[in-house]
Amino acid sequence: AQKITQTQPGMFVQEKEAVTLDCTYDTSDPSYGLFWYKQPSSGEMIFLIYQGSYDQQNATEGRYSLNFQKARKSANLVISASQLGDSAMYFCAMREGIGGSTLGRLYFGRGTQLTVWP
Amino acid sequence: DTEVTQTPKHLVMGMTNKKSLKCEQHMGHRAMYWYKQKAKKPPELMFVYSYEKLSINESVPSRFSPECPNSSLLNLHLHALQPEDSALYLCASSFGTSRMSETQYFGPGTRLLVL
Repeated sequence: AQKITQTQPGMFVQEKEAVTLDCTYDTSDPSYGLFWYKQPSSGEMIFLIYQGSYDQQNATEGRYSLNFQKARKSANLVISASQLGDSAMYFCAMREGIGGSTLGRLYFGRGTQLTVWP
Repeated sequence: DTEVTQTPKHLVMGMTNKKSLKCEQHMGHRAMYWYKQKAKKPPELMFVYSYEKLSINESVPSRFSPECPNSSLLNLHLHALQPEDSALYLCASSFGTSRMSETQYFGPGTRLLVL
């Protein structure tokens, strides 16, 4: 089974509007971390936001917030006030806490291509 | 500063060539990673180094040979590659590998074309 599922291959949003990118995950480990990365066409993967499984509050970083619903195993990324520069591929990723050491392994979803139009 | 640098940015090589990709970070990170990414796909983990020791090799063919000369540097030596090895090669680093929150910071990648 896939550990990270991103069901939206592509999303379109108008500039200045908010957009939600979906991510669901699958793990039986009570300890895990969830990450979102942005990858523009230039190729670099840019870290956006992190949510730990034990974090009580949803993570926020500037215009990015993570809508974390633990019971539903979802970790959706919300981008507020979209900008043209937000057009990129967005990846959701997870680390599990197996045996207290994950050896750094990140499981990535297939990504969502976001296009912001004027 | 969360900068990971990679050289070269682009590389074209023949199947008989030997080349190397270089990755460098000066953030004091002790874990470094190589990923391979094909177009429109997520990155695939190739190797993980922790404290300069190889801790994960994801059954990568021996024509890819990683090397970690010190905690700041990571190389990927390429020899006798195949056209299907053409991809974006991403390097990443993190403080360590044991804590859940340790974020991997990526470099800009090397776009490799094998002819």
